[in-house]
Amino acid sequence: EDQVTQSPEALRLQEGESSSLNCSYTVSGLRGLFWYRQDPGKGPEFLFTLYSAGEEKEKERLKATLTKKESFLHITAPKPEDSATYLCAVGLGTYDKVIFGPGTSLSVIP
Amino acid sequence: AAGVIQSPRHLIKEKRETATLKCYPIPRHDTVYWYQQGPGQDPQFLISFYEKMQSDKGSIPDRFSAQQFSDYHSELNMSSLELGDSALYFCASSLRGASHYGYTFGSGTRLTVV
Repeated sequence: EDQVTQSPEALRLQEGESSSLNCSYTVSGLRGLFWYRQDPGKGPEFLFTLYSAGEEKEKERLKATLTKKESFLHITAPKPEDSATYLCAVGLGTYDKVIFGPGTSLSVIP
Repeated sequence: AAGVIQSPRHLIKEKRETATLKCYPIPRHDTVYWYQQGPGQDPQFLISFYEKMQSDKGSIPDRFSAQQFSDYHSELNMSSLELGDSALYFCASSLRGASHYGYTFGSGTRLTVV
């Protein structure tokens, strides 16, 4: 069964304290791995797409990496405005199907 | 820049009533997706349409149906509503073949069934 898990479920950081979020997946026919940010009551906001093991993408304080079985979202020197839920999603073999992980709720304390 | 537009933003219905949610994708996007997100849960894929044809189906109940119209807007019709249908319903759109840009999600419709 296709499955996406994320850890930790919640993460509380001091401003400037770097950390990593994990996304593990067991799927057949991975088409791509996506990271989204979601603020409360709003739709997910696209961050990155990763396609192959070893690939890395960066955007401001965020850096996403991909291995064969997991992806990491590294947050360097986070700020309070980085507080949100970070969702990992995988695109499956069928063209349009994407399944989401449960998310990591990140709180950055000033 | 134009975004994905969903209406209404909030909807309150009673059990066994019907509801219709609307989604207007980003211009030139050819694929529309519907997701259901319960409180504290991740978005669950319901159904998708490519060029007005159903392209994939997820955990959409038989009580729900959806379609995409000639102007590419999509509607999610929900009948015989149950309390458990209370959730945020998101629509997203994308351009097939450009998945490296991800999906663009709308702001969602919050459905409350009482």
